[in-house]
Amino acid sequence: KQEVTQIPAALSVPEGENLVLNCSFTDSAIYNLQWFRQDPGKGLTSLLLIQSSQREQTSGRLNASLDKSSGRSTLYIAASQPGDSATYLCAHGGTSYGKLTFGQGTILTVHP
Amino acid sequence: DVKVTQSSRYLVKRTGEKVFLECVQDMDHENMFWYRQDPGLGLRLIYFSYDVKMKEKGDIPEGYSVSREKKERFSLILESASTNQTSMYLCATVTSGGTNTQYFGPGTRLTVL
Repeated sequence: KQEVTQIPAALSVPEGENLVLNCSFTDSAIYNLQWFRQDPGKGLTSLLLIQSSQREQTSGRLNASLDKSSGRSTLYIAASQPGDSATYLCAHGGTSYGKLTFGQGTILTVHP
Repeated sequence: DVKVTQSSRYLVKRTGEKVFLECVQDMDHENMFWYRQDPGLGLRLIYFSYDVKMKEKGDIPEGYSVSREKKERFSLILESASTNQTSMYLCATVTSGGTNTQYFGPGTRLTVL
């Protein structure tokens, strides 16, 4: 059974720091890897999607990488801001249907 | 922009009631999903549908059923609500093929008393 693990479970940093969120998965058969952001009580917003043929994706201050051989993905956030405070979830997509297996998330707090 | 709407943000029902949660998308996406999210357990897939009248069980289908009569609408049905079905329910949609980016609705917080 596919398992997705995110480390750390929670992270608190001062504004301006660069930070890395980690995601590991057990199933090397991967279609894509997605990173989402969730604000309290809200739905999920897609941040970055990495296809299995890609190594990384970038959007603004966010960069996500994928290493299929080691079963890992990282989300790098540059120059963090208080508005980045949220829960970040990674999800393993094993098929083209879009079915995802989610990690438990990392709760990020960026304080001024 | 893709828009995914869910019929209610908050819902309170009593044990034994039949509950309908509705999800509507406006982008003609083929695939739609229902998840529930619980503290410590994360998001878990209940059911998904890849076409009208087609459905597949996810990881935790027990106690739930679904209906997809029209492409844009995917309904989750709790046949006889129980307290352990108190949860946040999230609907998502994705077009088949392509990038497979998933778009989520705002969620329905269901409380079963």
